[in-house]
Amino acid sequence: DGGITQSPKYLFRKEGQNVTLSCEQNLNHDAMYWYRQDPGQGLRLIYYSQIVNDFQKGDIAEGYSVSREKKESFPLTVTSAQKNPTAFYLCASRIRAGPDTQYFGPGTRLTVL
Amino acid sequence: AQSVTQPDIHITVSEGASLELRCNYSYGATPYLFWYVQSPGQGLQLLLKYFSGDTLVQGIKGFEAEFKRSQSSFNLRKPSVHWSDAAEYFCAVRSGGGADGLTFGKGTHLIIQP
Repeated sequence: DGGITQSPKYLFRKEGQNVTLSCEQNLNHDAMYWYRQDPGQGLRLIYYSQIVNDFQKGDIAEGYSVSREKKESFPLTVTSAQKNPTAFYLCASRIRAGPDTQYFGPGTRLTVL
Repeated sequence: AQSVTQPDIHITVSEGASLELRCNYSYGATPYLFWYVQSPGQGLQLLLKYFSGDTLVQGIKGFEAEFKRSQSSFNLRKPSVHWSDAAEYFCAVRSGGGADGLTFGKGTHLIIQP
């Protein structure tokens, strides 16, 4: 089945530790995205990548980092500089050309203790 | 900057009744508009989208939405809701220019009464 996988579904970390969230897609999509969701806040864009080895900051990139070494993979690292990292993180992808739809993964809930 | 407003945080509807969820956007040109649905703890599923053409668009699960440029609105409707429609609904907009990513509203939580 084609789709987007995010792992793990639940993640717990101690304050001050960096943590990396995985996002993999087998849809052959060019562009990939990371969003953060907080209760009552909707989704906010963290980073996006339109092609391999290139990525751009979104609206709330501070305290996060990404890499895009392969077309299928777009991992997100939540660093210790992120002041309030506990949230639900959603990865999405789409075909780059045209106004096409973004498809979302199942999400990872990160809790920092 | 573009923005999306969903005025209703919560809506309660009886099963079998009609539904309308409101969405207003702020964007200068013709936007690309989307409605997504999210069940608790899950990712987002696309219900429908508007890019151009017919302003009344049909989606999955019996949903439809109408784009009204004069009102900057893209309201979601369903003639008869089912208990399984209880979820969080998000309206989103994407600009047609070089900027990427979606701008989301804060969501409307739909509660279905038996």
